[in-house]
Amino acid sequence: GAGVSQSPRYKVAKRGQDVALRCDPISGHVSLFWYQQALGQGPEFLTYFQNEAQLDKSGLPSDRFFAERPEGSVSTLKIQRTQQEDSAVYLCASSQQGWDSPLHFGNGTRLTVT
Amino acid sequence: GQQLNQSPQSMFIQEGEDVSMNCTSSSIFNTWLWYKQDPGEGPVLLIALYKAGELTSNGRLTAQFGITRKDSFLNISASIPSDVGIYFCAGQSNYGQNFVFGPGTRLSVLP
Repeated sequence: GAGVSQSPRYKVAKRGQDVALRCDPISGHVSLFWYQQALGQGPEFLTYFQNEAQLDKSGLPSDRFFAERPEGSVSTLKIQRTQQEDSAVYLCASSQQGWDSPLHFGNGTRLTVT
Repeated sequence: GQQLNQSPQSMFIQEGEDVSMNCTSSSIFNTWLWYKQDPGEGPVLLIALYKAGELTSNGRLTAQFGITRKDSFLNISASIPSDVGIYFCAGQSNYGQNFVFGPGTRLSVLP
């Protein structure tokens, strides 16, 4: 597709449920990033892939958060046993190969944990 | 960890006025990006800066990479209603390929 596509756009989960958020990056983009954006704040880095390799997961807030990109294209961010503090917009971004290539974002998935 | 500060936090201006906002850090960055985010959407890239002192324009927008490499500036000339939104700066250092984002500057344009 022309841009980064994320699904679902909105997700409501009861506390304790598991959720899976999907990201389709721009075709041909090597790098893929996940960010978490709380209401009224800037995006906070979660994790980064280069092709299928997860090179940095230092931003994942707990071991309940898990991300994968098995074939180097589509990525899934999974949150297990969701908590209310997980409520946020989860943004996916991709970039072309290159250390300083700009990030191109999708419109995010708004997760609400009740 | 690395943090970016943006000022002002919010601003209200009249249509047609020029706007200036900045982004500062205690750390050196090698790349600066400026984004605009509208409600319910993801951030959209406005300008990318790669060299200290670099001045880059995109239509009515002009951004500069500070000489110290610890700051960046964004100017918008002759503001229009569709400039309303939140503007984020993002910096990349030598420590990782991820970009660190500032807290944003919320711009409101009064007709």
